[in-house]
Amino acid sequence: DAKTTQPPSMDCAEGRAANLPCNHSTISGNEYVYWYRQIHSQGPQYIIHGLKNNETNEMASLIITEDRKSSTLILPHATLRDTAVYYCIVRVSSGSARQLTFGSGTQLTVLP
Amino acid sequence: DAGVTQSPTHLIKTRGQQVTLRCSPKSGHDTVSWYQQALGQGPQFIFQYYEEEERQRGNFPDRFSGHQFPNYSSELNVNALLLGDSALYLCASSLLSPSAYEQYFGPGTRLTVT
Repeated sequence: DAKTTQPPSMDCAEGRAANLPCNHSTISGNEYVYWYRQIHSQGPQYIIHGLKNNETNEMASLIITEDRKSSTLILPHATLRDTAVYYCIVRVSSGSARQLTFGSGTQLTVLP
Repeated sequence: DAGVTQSPTHLIKTRGQQVTLRCSPKSGHDTVSWYQQALGQGPQFIFQYYEEEERQRGNFPDRFSGHQFPNYSSELNVNALLLGDSALYLCASSLLSPSAYEQYFGPGTRLTVT
């Protein structure tokens, strides 16, 4: 699985959009970009994933650059409950059963 | 649906002892994965079980072993505990299907080895 690089921490004002970047310059054509988050004292939670097209669901949007070397997770209206560690993961296959390789993630703090 | 459940919530053991952690997957799921998360780090994959067989394994010693039961629940066993085994142990369940994309995590078991 390709390696990812994320900033260790970010702050965001409540109600504003949170844009979390991820660099995956060695991504292969068959590798997907996944995002999970982990709120303190809880297990990780799936947010969204994509291959090359931008994706949106009820939680967030995922923007993948055309060359697929980087992506941005967007939380459109961040709330205090979005404070968490966000993990960007790149792996082959959209199937859920393959192991997840977590890095250190980005600690997002939403400020009131 | 209770989601993924794990027991116990917390556990304190002494070096050299053995421990068993338990996991019940989300209803309808057939695959269980275990992860170890040391303080301040991301979760690290230990192994995965499907149809009562170990299907994948991460870079963990043989002291870590597991089991999956016919009802898909799973146990993680760690023998000869070391101080470095102190961590949050997470269980995740999923479906072994290419169309299934999400792993559901439990709240974890916090193991402290003294």
